[in-house]
Amino acid sequence: SQKIEQNSEALNIQEGKTATLTCNYTNYSPAYLQWYRQDPGRGPVFLLLIRENEKEKRKERLKVTFDTTLKQSLFHITASQPADSATYLCALGNTNAGKSTFGDGTTLTVKP
Amino acid sequence: GAGVSQSPSNKVTEKGKDVELRCDPISGHTALYWYRQSLGQGLEFLIYFQGNSAPDKSGLPSDRFSAERTGGSVSTLTIQRTQQEDSAVYLCASSSTSEGTGELFFGEGSRLTVL
Repeated sequence: SQKIEQNSEALNIQEGKTATLTCNYTNYSPAYLQWYRQDPGRGPVFLLLIRENEKEKRKERLKVTFDTTLKQSLFHITASQPADSATYLCALGNTNAGKSTFGDGTTLTVKP
Repeated sequence: GAGVSQSPSNKVTEKGKDVELRCDPISGHTALYWYRQSLGQGLEFLIYFQGNSAPDKSGLPSDRFSAERTGGSVSTLTIQRTQQEDSAVYLCASSSTSEGTGELFFGEGSRLTVL
């Protein structure tokens, strides 16, 4: 069955450092992979999408890589700030607006 | 409205009662999803509506759960004879197929507590 694993439930880093979150998947060949941010008590908010034929995508301080051979995506936040503290979810899908399957998320805490 | 609207935001009910949760998607979005999130967990897919196609109900955990979408817009998720394990946040999302990104726009969720 399909399985999505995100790295350790919690990640703590110092302000200014780069945070790297991992999303691994098995028994799946997604057409795209998305990253969402979720704050406590709120719904997830879309951050970035990367397609299977793309290696890397950037948006401001965010960078996502997608390695379909390793079945892995890395999500980087450079020059991290305390405001980046949240839970980050990866999601995989096969068709536009089709069902997306989510990982359990990684909670990032950036300490000042 | 500007975003996905869900109601009620909080619902406390007694075991065995039926509950209805409502989702008002972004106007013009043809796709609508229901997910469930238990405390500290990821999102569990429940059901997906796309235009006039038959819904994908593959994620509904039991026959106590059902959902409908009237007129291609508002959706209602109904849980009959609620159990304590149904306690969770129920999230609704909508998406526009024309944008081609598969980006989901989520509501703030309905927190259900079954006593």
